[in-house]
Amino acid sequence: TQLLEQSPQFLSIQEGENLTVYCNSSSVFSSLQWYRQEPGEGPVLLVTVVTGGEVKKLKRLTFQFGDARKDSSLHITAAQTGDTGLYLCAGPRRLGYKLSFGAGTTVTVRA
Amino acid sequence: DSGVTQTPKHLITATGQRVTLRCSPRSGDLSVYWYQQSLDQGLQFLIQYYNGEERAKGNILERFSAQQFPDLHSELNLSSLELGDSALYFCASSVAPQAGNPLYFGPGTRLTVT
Repeated sequence: TQLLEQSPQFLSIQEGENLTVYCNSSSVFSSLQWYRQEPGEGPVLLVTVVTGGEVKKLKRLTFQFGDARKDSSLHITAAQTGDTGLYLCAGPRRLGYKLSFGAGTTVTVRA
Repeated sequence: DSGVTQTPKHLITATGQRVTLRCSPRSGDLSVYWYQQSLDQGLQFLIQYYNGEERAKGNILERFSAQQFPDLHSELNLSSLELGDSALYFCASSVAPQAGNPLYFGPGTRLTVT
């Protein structure tokens, strides 16, 4: 059982459409990170959210941390083919050293 | 380019063999992590080192071992390899050891056990 559940598992959309992916847990996290991984490469950090209710924007990407710090979402506006990749959320289990990753959402943006 | 280097990029070996994967962290990062990524298991944390000492252990098999050297590079040793060990192995580094610090991942080593 994953500590962080991501949904949907797969998402395929047309260029220009919007999409949202979710990261949920029954546990409270002190922070959550979002990474994007392209085929054949390592994950790359997109953002870290720390405060409950926090919203961070990175160009067309909007990240939200739930008020209770148990869930997070990533919304992409007007998706581009360059947004294609595996989106992973990750959070520390406790104040400690282990970072747990969700299974990820594979996003495919079609031209 | 994350600044983390991993060698080799690809490795093909037979069951029962032993291999060593190498990682150099970003300049200035003292903490090194090893992750295994397979299609059915996702990204699984194996082990973490900080400034030469083991800090945290995850789902690392007894057949696997790792160490971090004084120059901060790290090696992951996989022995008595099985078909199920075929996966991508990533090294990541961070400045400090506490979870929640940003991780910078290397390009990975793709291990194929035949």
